Amino acid sequence: GEKVEQHESTLSVREGDSAVINCTYTDTASSYFPWYKQEAGKGLHFVIDIRSNVDRKQSQRLIVLLDKKAKRFSLHITATQPEDSAIYFCAASPDSNYQLIWGSGTKLIIKP
Amino acid sequence: ETAVFQTPNYHVTQVGNEVSFNCKQTLGHDTMYWYKQDSKKLLKIMFSYNNKQLIVNETVPRRFSPQSSDKAHLNLRIKSVEPEDSAVYLCASSTGLASSYEQYFGPGTRLTVL
Repeated sequence: GEKVEQHESTLSVREGDSAVINCTYTDTASSYFPWYKQEAGKGLHFVIDIRSNVDRKQSQRLIVLLDKKAKRFSLHITATQPEDSAIYFCAASPDSNYQLIWGSGTKLIIKP
Repeated sequence: ETAVFQTPNYHVTQVGNEVSFNCKQTLGHDTMYWYKQDSKKLLKIMFSYNNKQLIVNETVPRRFSPQSSDKAHLNLRIKSVEPEDSAVYLCASSTGLASSYEQYFGPGTRLTVL
């Protein structure tokens, strides 16, 4: 079955710099790739997603890139701010699936 | 704005006891989920429930069971808890059962089994 690997367990960047979180997946049938954010003591909330019919999507300071050939997708956060500090989870799924396959999470720390 | 509510926030209990956690969503969604998040923050889907259809992760022990009175509520019951059940249990909901629907999460219930 599908496996999703999230490569950075912790990432520390200076406020104002960009942060990049990388994920890889194994199932070529995967076509939906969301990202969720979890702040301390809270549940997850959706931040952005990308589908396999495009290779780039942007929402304000968030950019998602998808490389289907390498089976890799990444979340870029530009001009980081303190409120970006959180754990970020990537996930993948074929459209026909009922369940997302989740990465292990990346703790993003924004240093002043 | 919170739309998925979970109670209690925390629960501490002894091995062998029965516990029940509540989840309610006010989004009018048709699908609800229970996840287990361990101490390393790893997420594991336990149940997906869409009104008439229950999808169970085959790795979930039989002492766990979901209970639903209507589509806005999905509770989680654990008979005879064990130490490895200590975790945060997250409830979520979405419009539909397909994985491509955005999921809305509650704040979680932290269970500690002594």
